[in-house]
Amino acid sequence: GNSVTQMEGPVTLSEEAFLTINCTYTATGYPSLFWYVQYPGEGLQLLLKATKADDKGSNKGFEATYRKETTSFHLEKGSVQVSDSAVYFCALTRNTGGFKTIFGAGTRLFVKA
Amino acid sequence: NAGVTQTPKFRVLKTGQSMTLLCAQDMNHEYMYWYRQDPGMGLRLIHYSVGEGTTAKGEVPDGYNVSRLKKQNFLLGLESAAPSQTSVYFCASSRATTSDTQYFGPGTRLTVL
Repeated sequence: GNSVTQMEGPVTLSEEAFLTINCTYTATGYPSLFWYVQYPGEGLQLLLKATKADDKGSNKGFEATYRKETTSFHLEKGSVQVSDSAVYFCALTRNTGGFKTIFGAGTRLFVKA
Repeated sequence: NAGVTQTPKFRVLKTGQSMTLLCAQDMNHEYMYWYRQDPGMGLRLIHYSVGEGTTAKGEVPDGYNVSRLKKQNFLLGLESAAPSQTSVYFCASSRATTSDTQYFGPGTRLTVL
């Protein structure tokens, strides 16, 4: 079946450190891939997305590349800020055999000043 | 432009009571969704709708019913609440493509005693 696996948290980094949050997926066909971010007390909001293999999504200094050969969509940022502290969700969407969106369990990021 | 709104924000129920959660969107989106968020499990799709008057089951539909009588509204009902339905519920909407961004409401925190 379809699934999304992302690294367990929490991840704790110092300000200006490099961030990687791993995400791998299992799906038939060609899903669209997303990273959503959830700040405390709020709903999820889109961070970036990629809709086909080798696409790179980017936003606010975050990047992720759709790698079909490794079925991965790892999130990276070169220099994190305290304001990046949040929960990050990897997700896929496909509509073959019925519409389906699958979210990963989420990775909590703490950034220390 | 309010985006996606949810009412109520918080609710405490006793086992066996019923309630309806209301979701409204002002973006003229075709697709609407109800998710529940539980610790360590990410978001799980309860029900969704691909247009006014249509609904479909998601990953965890048991114990819930939905209705989409108007395009802008999507109601989630609990006929007989159980403690296992204690969760944070999120509504989302998107345009009619699976590669499109989902826009989330702020969530409803429900506790069933």
